Amino acid sequence: AQTVTQSQPEMSVQEAETVTLSCTYDTSESDYYLFWYKQPPSRQMILVIRQEAYKQQNATENRFSVNFQKAAKSFSLKISDSQLGDAAMYFCAYSRPQGGSEKLVFGKGTKLTVNP
Amino acid sequence: GAVVSQHPSRVICKSGTSVKIECRSLDFQATTMFWYRQFPKQSLMLMATSNEGSKATYEQGVEKDKFLINHASLTLSTLTVTSAHPEDSSFYICSASPEFYWGETQYFGPGTRLLVL
Repeated sequence: AQTVTQSQPEMSVQEAETVTLSCTYDTSESDYYLFWYKQPPSRQMILVIRQEAYKQQNATENRFSVNFQKAAKSFSLKISDSQLGDAAMYFCAYSRPQGGSEKLVFGKGTKLTVNP
Repeated sequence: GAVVSQHPSRVICKSGTSVKIECRSLDFQATTMFWYRQFPKQSLMLMATSNEGSKATYEQGVEKDKFLINHASLTLSTLTVTSAHPEDSSFYICSASPEFYWGETQYFGPGTRLLVL
């Protein structure tokens, strides 16, 4: 069974600085998707970034980028120029490609605090 | 695009009553929707996979007679908590992915906070 591990229960960063959140996963599949979701205090889950395993290029979305190391099964999230609004729980997730019918496997989450 | 709504956003009920939560995909069709439960400061726990036109698939340990799921159409799934008790108090979240979309991105509803007195 696939598993996702987030080893940092909590992280903090100064506003405008850079922070990296770690995620490792275990799977025997060669084709899959990885995600980072953000859950702010409102508890609405928001997609931050998505990576297809078959793509070697790391995904980026504005201030958010990932370091995808397929052989090491590592998928870290880097947040640059951190803003107060980035404070939230961040969940790493995995999915196999099944046309929208496959469940997500979540890590336990990392709580990010942004200090002014 | 890809908006999922949930109704109600919060509900308070008496022990022993049943509560229905609706999950709607507003601008796409979804053959499959997912229901999660989340306790404070914890990750999302998948309860069941809701399949349009067929029975839901429940995760191990989830009581199917307690948590009734009906996927009435390609845009609506409902979760009914039957004979609710205080231990059912939690935050319930649904998600869906557009039909035939192989990007696998799940879009989440805003959640429903259930409090059983």
